[in-house]
Amino acid sequence: GESVGLHLPTLSVQEGDNSIINCAYSNSASDYFIWYKQESGKGPQFIIDIRSNMDKRQGQRVTVLLNKTVKHLSLQIAATQPGDSAVYFCAENEGRAGNNRKLIWGLGTSLAVNP
Amino acid sequence: GAGVSQTPSNKVTEKGKYVELRCDPISGHTALYWYRQSLGQGPEFLIYFQGTGAADDSGLPNDRFFAVRPEGSVSTLKIQRTERGDSAMYLCASSSASYNEQFFGPGTRLTVL
Repeated sequence: GESVGLHLPTLSVQEGDNSIINCAYSNSASDYFIWYKQESGKGPQFIIDIRSNMDKRQGQRVTVLLNKTVKHLSLQIAATQPGDSAVYFCAENEGRAGNNRKLIWGLGTSLAVNP
Repeated sequence: GAGVSQTPSNKVTEKGKYVELRCDPISGHTALYWYRQSLGQGPEFLIYFQGTGAADDSGLPNDRFFAVRPEGSVSTLKIQRTERGDSAMYLCASSSASYNEQFFGPGTRLTVL
């Protein structure tokens, strides 16, 4: 299943399928991007990050792709599990890489995994 | 080790009252952030501390909001003359000097009646 972020804020997938969550970011000067997962009633939880000098980064069951030309970020989740159900946010850091600076957050996409 | 903690977890107050929200960052983290999140939306940046000083307070909505971090560890977000529009989840995060990853606390749910 695939979402287009702002245009489709809810993504519903079957357990075991791959999920793709998309995000368009706003600032071409942003050099650091993060995906967070937020479960109901909890604070955001870090999933994976990527710096602007990279196009792709892989973690455990997750892959982030960055397309700077069109200012687009995507999160791919392999073999989606019921525990992946949450709201997913992309965030961009406007500061220089390595600096701790404020994050600018997207609106979020709700992922629902059907057993 | 312990993560970021926030107290109280829930705060209900009346319009016009003063409230304080507390954040205990991960030990040794020099950077601390406050965000506000309304239902169904992403977090909104409020203020960022590097050590004891506010490095960026551009997100504070008005002068009713103030935050301190006197010893470079615990931080308190203070809201004067609360308004119903202040109702939201207030999130705190901390990070080390070496990495960008921000670790979030569970948040304080503020309700202004």
